[in-house]
Amino acid sequence: EAQVTQNPRYLITVTGKKLTVTCSQNMNHEYMSWYRQDPGLGLRQIYYSMNVEVTDKGDVPEGYKVSRKEKRNFPLILESPSPNQTSLYFCASSLSGGLDGYTFGSGTRLTVV
Amino acid sequence: DQQVKQNSPSLSVQEGRISILNCDYTNSMFDYFLWYKKYPAEGPTFLISISSIKDKNEDGRFTVFLNKSAKHLSLHIVPSQPGDSAVYFCAARGGADGLTFGKGTHLIIQP
Repeated sequence: EAQVTQNPRYLITVTGKKLTVTCSQNMNHEYMSWYRQDPGLGLRQIYYSMNVEVTDKGDVPEGYKVSRKEKRNFPLILESPSPNQTSLYFCASSLSGGLDGYTFGSGTRLTVV
Repeated sequence: DQQVKQNSPSLSVQEGRISILNCDYTNSMFDYFLWYKKYPAEGPTFLISISSIKDKNEDGRFTVFLNKSAKHLSLHIVPSQPGDSAVYFCAARGGADGLTFGKGTHLIIQP
């Protein structure tokens, strides 16, 4: 089944403890992105990647890192999480980044205390 | 500065009638526009898209209209069904910069 898989689905962590949210897609898509969803703010792009080793900042990149060492994986790294990074995170992938749309994962709900 | 705006946080429509969701944008460099549907506890699902060189695209019950001069697009759902109750996001793409989303409109289909 074609899908984007994120792990974990739920995570509670403490301020300052490094964490990684994994994202993997099995559709051989070139484009991958990370978004966060917050009440009243909709979906905001954190980082995106057009291909292996090519990444760029989205609208809200502060406090996040990403890597794209292989086409299928696009992990999101929080080096020192803070409470304002408590959010619902979505990973997405697309073949062309255009009219075919992006396929989204099921989300990771992160709480930083 | 919000480049994609959905000014109606919620919309209530009777089952069987037409649902019209609106979206405005400010960036004239956007080349593709997309609509996504989202249920609670799930990721957004792609619904329909339109290129900036077209003014209409239709897929079953869903039609997207684009008015470039007004920087406005709309999603029409006809007829509306109970399963259409969800949050709908308008999104736009500017070159290779990924997608910019609006804040969403919660559509409620009433029996």
